[in-house]
Amino acid sequence: GENVEQHPSTLSVQEGDSAVIKCTYSDSASNYFPWYKQELGKRPQLIIDIRSNVGEKKDQRIAVTLNKTAKHFSLHITETQPEDSAVYFCAASIDTGTASKLTFGTGTRLQVTL
Amino acid sequence: DGGITQSPKYLFRKEGQNVTLSCEQNLNHDAMYWYRQDPGQGLRLIYYSQIVNDFQKGDIAEGYSVSREKKESFPLTVTSAQKNPTAFYLCASGGLADEQYFGPGTRLTVT
Repeated sequence: GENVEQHPSTLSVQEGDSAVIKCTYSDSASNYFPWYKQELGKRPQLIIDIRSNVGEKKDQRIAVTLNKTAKHFSLHITETQPEDSAVYFCAASIDTGTASKLTFGTGTRLQVTL
Repeated sequence: DGGITQSPKYLFRKEGQNVTLSCEQNLNHDAMYWYRQDPGQGLRLIYYSQIVNDFQKGDIAEGYSVSREKKESFPLTVTSAQKNPTAFYLCASGGLADEQYFGPGTRLTVT
């Protein structure tokens, strides 16, 4: 089955700096890659996703890049703010047209310091 | 994601008892999912359902059971056969575009 590895496990940046979280996946058939943000004790929230037919997608301060050849994708957060502090999870799945079985990475705890 | 509810928020049970976690959605989503989250780990898929009266095992189905009698509801039963049931359980639902939206979760503690 699919295996998703995520790095780093913890990341501390100063407010205003950029943060980058990287994930690799094993199944070349995977074609959907979402990112979730989870605050302490809360539900994961979908913040951005990318499909295999594009290489990059942006939404304000958040961007995701995908390299299908190397089987890795990354989350980029620019101009970080304290409210960006949370655990971020990447995931991968194969679009079957019905239910999608997401395989998650183990998470990155991002701390934005003042 | 406000259209997905889970109850209760906290649940305590004695070892050897079965317990059922509720998940309801009003988003008209066909697919529903159950995940388990342990401290410091990602989410692991327990069961999923693409349509009423049909469901499939995920990666860690042993010790769990589900039913899908209505489109809106996908309850999860944690049986006494589950060796380490204490965890945070998350239900999700999704439409045809793969996005999954999560409920608020149930934190189960078994002693």
